[in-house]
Amino acid sequence: EVQVLESGGGLMQPGGSLRLSCEASGFTFSTYAMSWVRQAPGKGLEWVSTIRGSGGSTYYADSVKGRFTISRDDSKNTLYLQIHSLRADDTAVYYCTKGHHGDYWGRGTLVTVSS
Amino acid sequence: DVVMTQSPLSLPVTLGQPASISCRSSQSLVYSDGNTYLIWFQQRPGQSPRRLIYQVSNRDSGVPDRFSGSGSGTDFTLKISRVEAEDVGVYYCMQATHWPPITFGQGTRLEIK
Repeated sequence: EVQVLESGGGLMQPGGSLRLSCEASGFTFSTYAMSWVRQAPGKGLEWVSTIRGSGGSTYYADSVKGRFTISRDDSKNTLYLQIHSLRADDTAVYYCTKGHHGDYWGRGTLVTVSS
Repeated sequence: DVVMTQSPLSLPVTLGQPASISCRSSQSLVYSDGNTYLIWFQQRPGQSPRRLIYQVSNRDSGVPDRFSGSGSGTDFTLKISRVEAEDVGVYYCMQATHWPPITFGQGTRLEIK
């Protein structure tokens, strides 16, 4: 059974940094692209970033380019999202998804940016 | 960027009646390989999104056959043949043909009348 489980969210100060993690199981992790999608409170879905399989190319939404870094450790079946210079509008539930066609989603991890 | 426009944004439906959601893209979603990467998601209250339909009309495993997707080019539709109480939630279309960025529609909130 495919599972993805996000962690690392919390209450953060503006300007701070954090790293989100996503542990995957039930599929050959290294061969699949992985993505992050976020959802601000009461709002719709926003694609954030995708990384191709085996540490390949990375892609970012313009709204996060230069502040977010996606990476993966295929030996640990884990996807990461490093976030710098946190802003209030980064407040959202961050979902990890298998691939870039959204076939499996985790439960998400809530990031709240507030002073 | 490809803009995805859904309508209606709110959809009150009587139990047992059909429902239809439209999704239009600002450019054709046909990819160079001939496939069309138009996807539909359901997000029930308090839950993560769940993929229902991929490549316009292919139902994911476990998705009831009352859900169907259709369309081509820039014009797509998600239909529910007979709405059930468990169908309440927000429905999103998404395109993964011309990316980055991957783009979503605004969402359509389905409620029971």
